[in-house]
Amino acid sequence: DAKTTQPNSMESNEEEPVHLPCNHSTISGTDYIHWYRQLPSQGPEYVIHGLTSNVNNRMASLAIAEDRKSSTLILHRATLRDAAVYYCILRDNNAGNMLTFGGGTRLMVKP
Amino acid sequence: GAGVSQSPRYKVAKRGQDVALRCDPISGHVSLFWYQQALGQGPEFLTYFQNEAQLDKSGLPSDRFFAERPEGSVSTLKIQRTQQEDSAVYLCASSSNFRGMNTEAFFGQGTRLTVV
Repeated sequence: DAKTTQPNSMESNEEEPVHLPCNHSTISGTDYIHWYRQLPSQGPEYVIHGLTSNVNNRMASLAIAEDRKSSTLILHRATLRDAAVYYCILRDNNAGNMLTFGGGTRLMVKP
Repeated sequence: GAGVSQSPRYKVAKRGQDVALRCDPISGHVSLFWYQQALGQGPEFLTYFQNEAQLDKSGLPSDRFFAERPEGSVSTLKIQRTQQEDSAVYLCASSSNFRGMNTEAFFGQGTRLTVV
């Protein structure tokens, strides 16, 4: 699987937007971009995924660069419950089925 | 239950003891995955089932690790002769798409194994 690069940690203030970046310069045409998050003492939780176009759901938005070499997960209004490790994952539609997690970004939200 | 259920939540094993970890996936989910997560690290893939067939076991770290899903629903991860390096959280996930591709994976809360 192609690799992703994320900052180790980020801080945000409560009720402010958060932009979590992910670089994936070796992405292939069949790779989907997935985001999962893991709250303390919980299993990972699906957030959003996309291929080329920007995507929105009730949890977040995913902005994908035109060349697909980077993407940004956007939390529109951070809450204390959004404090978690966020993982950006590339998943090849033509290859194995597993999710390959990297180190992720630990998001801290300050009240 | 509505989600993926794992048991036990916590397990303490003496070095050399065998352990069995159980995963109840969401009913009807075809794909089932096991992951191992060391403290402070991201989850690492262990093995994948499509129904009862184990299609990928490339992530199992040694022949002491064995997983099964005999009826295509509940799965068990067995670790024989546990070692201290086996201490980790073991996560199970399931998804509905038969290839598990690009569909949401649902994770359980994990089993924290401590080998003493």
